[in-house]
Parts: sequence; structure tokens; C-alpha cells
Amino acid sequence: DAGVTQSPTHLIKTRGQQVTLRCSPKSGHDTVSWYQQALGQGPQFIFQYYEEEERQRGNFPDRFSGHQFPNYSSELNVNALLLGDSALYLCASSSRLGLPGNTIYFGEGSWLTVV
Amino acid sequence: AQSVTQPDIHITVSEGASLELRCNYSYGATPYLFWYVQSPGQGLQLLLKYFSGDTLVQGIKGFEAEFKRSQSSFNLRKPSVHWSDAAEYFCAVGPLPGGSYIPTFGRGTSLIVHP
Repeated sequence: DAGVTQSPTHLIKTRGQQVTLRCSPKSGHDTVSWYQQALGQGPQFIFQYYEEEERQRGNFPDRFSGHQFPNYSSELNVNALLLGDSALYLCASSSRLGLPGNTIYFGEGSWLTVV
Repeated sequence: AQSVTQPDIHITVSEGASLELRCNYSYGATPYLFWYVQSPGQGLQLLLKYFSGDTLVQGIKGFEAEFKRSQSSFNLRKPSVHWSDAAEYFCAVGPLPGGSYIPTFGRGTSLIVHP
């Protein structure tokens, strides 16, 4: 059983460009959350998708947007990249909005470097 | 707003020694509490979680944590550390306002194990 898979694993972009990161949730999971983890920091919640809708959002600007597809996979898009967007982007999946009895599983992340 | 404080950025222990990682939280109600571990190049793995009931929680890999409401703490312990325990450890609290069970993470504690 594959866990949470993310792509690409590493990428380098230039300031002002746009990037798309992809996530496939663990089999049987319908909820996807995205986190940004800067070097030396804990993960910061970006947003969560369930039933193809953004259900909750953290303190991130509108440059960060997402999408969830009917097969529950998800994309994170970041426009007008800034140097400060350089980070590890983690995808997490769970079932039914991550209710207490359900464990949230994390992917290994996508390393984004903005130069 | 909810928050998590991990006061120790780095902890160094000798292999075989006992371990305690500190976590203090700020939350307006009864929290859900988590400990995650992140090894280099890997995603976050859940060690244990507390939702209700017994305040001493057993997790994987021989870890345990104790919820102390009066001290707003959820410290992680292990009686005998193995070299493979060297990793980054994150304490997290939930749910977010609005009810979604999305954890808010602390900045992490890096565990270094000496032979």
C-alpha cells in the first residue's frame, strides 16, 4: 500500500516564477492538507482540501492556491515566487477531515529552492 | 490562538541514556496533542497522540508522553535511547478553530545521540 506520494522531490525556481507541486494521498484517504516547513522550523499549515473544496486555510497569502481532483489527489500552486518561499512543502492525507481516530500521514515532501 | 513551545532546540544524549523532550502548549480548551518524528530526507511520522482518557500515552518505538493539564505540558520520554532515534521531534496541538483536526506544530527539537 503506497503512502502519501509527492512530486517533484526537488526543484529550483527563479523569483517571480510559478510552481506546481503534486500530491497523491494514501489509499482510502479523502482529505489533503499542505504544509510549508522552512529550514529549522516546524511545519506551517497552508490549507486543507476535502470534497474538492478548500475547507480551511492558514495564514498564507493568495499567491498560494490549491486544487483537489475527483481522485483525491491535490496540487499546490505558488505564484510570483519570493526567496522566502524556499522551503520543504509537505502534503498530509487523512480520512474525513482528520477526525481524532484517524491518523494523519505525511509525504516526504518537495524541496523548493527559489533563487 | 493556539501555539506550541518546544524550549530546547537541540538535545544531546548518550546511547542508552534516558530522554525527555519538553513541550508546552497554549490552547483555549481541551487540546489534542501529538508527537511526530522527522528523520533526514523523510516525512513526518506520528509517534503518539492524546485525545482523552489516560494522561500517560504509549507510542511506537518505545516512546511515551504524559499530558499535564496544570502545567500545559506534553513531554515525550524514552527510558533508553538508541542511535537510530537521532532525528527532529515535533510536538503539535489541535484542533484548529473551526474544528478541523489539523495539528499546529512547534519548531522542533533536534535529538543528537552520542555512542
